[in-house]
Amino acid sequence: DTAVSQTPKYLVTQMGNDKSIKCEQNLGHDTMYWYKQDSKKFLKIMFSYNNKELIINETVPNRFSPKSPDKAHLNLHINSLELGDSAVYFCASLIEGGTQYFGPGTRLLVL
Amino acid sequence: GESVGLHLPTLSVQEGDNSIINCAYSNSASDYFIWYKQESGKGPQFIIDIRSNMDKRQGQRVTVLLNKTVKHLSLQIAATQPGDSAVYFCAEKSGANNLFFGTGTRLTVIP
Repeated sequence: DTAVSQTPKYLVTQMGNDKSIKCEQNLGHDTMYWYKQDSKKFLKIMFSYNNKELIINETVPNRFSPKSPDKAHLNLHINSLELGDSAVYFCASLIEGGTQYFGPGTRLLVL
Repeated sequence: GESVGLHLPTLSVQEGDNSIINCAYSNSASDYFIWYKQESGKGPQFIIDIRSNMDKRQGQRVTVLLNKTVKHLSLQIAATQPGDSAVYFCAEKSGANNLFFGTGTRLTVIP
């Protein structure tokens, strides 16, 4: 069974559109994260959620909003997509002790 | 925020040789460090971790060394195999469960 899953795997869309990326973890963990990986492979944390509460929110535009309907899901909604939003987005789940388990990623391309 | 850097962005090694990937971190308060491996088209995968009260930890074919004096972390891979070709990230944790990633090193194994 996949521990952390993301959908879709690929997302191609036009500038100005609104899109969502879904993440689910079946590990029973309390904390989930969203990361953005740019073309140079740099990984930067965007959000984390613990029991439906936003813990951290780095310098991310407010066009990005995490939504957690329950402990197993942390979705990422993006409004008014821009070219610079093109990247790979990873969801991660926190394992006890500090390790994070990553999903397979969603490759977003904004045209 | 913290910065985690790598000395070499790329590393090429002959199959069967040992590989050493280095990482410098800046936050002396970091208490937990992780090495991740990211293969093409996949999410980061946990390799090995080490806590700040240790200076060495060994896994299967991998060893992590931590030098807190100079804030340096290294990953040693013994008998490097083609399947080890990937981008390797070090990550540090300080305080809450937030991970800060380095820029990554691309390891290429030459058959």
